[in-house]
Amino acid sequence: QVQLVQSGAEVKKPGASVKVSCKASGYAFTGYYMHWVRQAPGQGLEWMGWINPNSGGTTYAQKFQGRVTLTRDTSINTAFMELSSLRSDDTALYYCTRDLNWNYDYWGQGTLVAVSS
Amino acid sequence: QSALTQPRSVSGSPGQSVTISCTGTSSDVGGYNFVSWYQHHPGKAPKLIINDVTKRPSGVPDRFSGSKSGNTASLTISGLQAEDEAEYYCCSYAGRYVVFGGGTKLTVL
Repeated sequence: QVQLVQSGAEVKKPGASVKVSCKASGYAFTGYYMHWVRQAPGQGLEWMGWINPNSGGTTYAQKFQGRVTLTRDTSINTAFMELSSLRSDDTALYYCTRDLNWNYDYWGQGTLVAVSS
Repeated sequence: QSALTQPRSVSGSPGQSVTISCTGTSSDVGGYNFVSWYQHHPGKAPKLIINDVTKRPSGVPDRFSGSKSGNTASLTISGLQAEDEAEYYCCSYAGRYVVFGGGTKLTVL
């Protein structure tokens, strides 16, 4: 069965970086784009970007351009999201989700990133 | 890349029907048939309930239906049940980018 398992919660100081992993199983990892979506406390879902695990090609939301980097390691079927220059308003639950032709059919369990001095 | 516009909240009694709208532009909702809807219960991952404007994934009850007219997509839930109480989000492809709606809280009275 398809599973996306994300890394554990992180606590970071303002200005630091965080790297969240998303390990895929149960399907051909390189056959589906992977997207990252976040939800800040009391807010809605916010799209951050996607990566093509086959080519490594990426597209980022304008809001996160220059601060977010999506990568993947096909040898371990894992996608990564790194967010730099963290601010308090980056405190959120971060999800990876599999792209089924621009619909998102499987989601990770979410990774809480808390930014606090 | 502005968020799609959804009502903040809707409500209905068990057995009734509710419709949630999702308004975008010709660059997203109106330009592509890649509109999807997600049900989100607190503490759980979002669940895909409608894809490609009108299609229901396997296992999603036929009480859920989707449609689109121009730049506005809609999700209709008929025969409301208590477990339908959740946050609902629309989402659209926007030419290499993706945009979500702000979310609608559905309360089952």
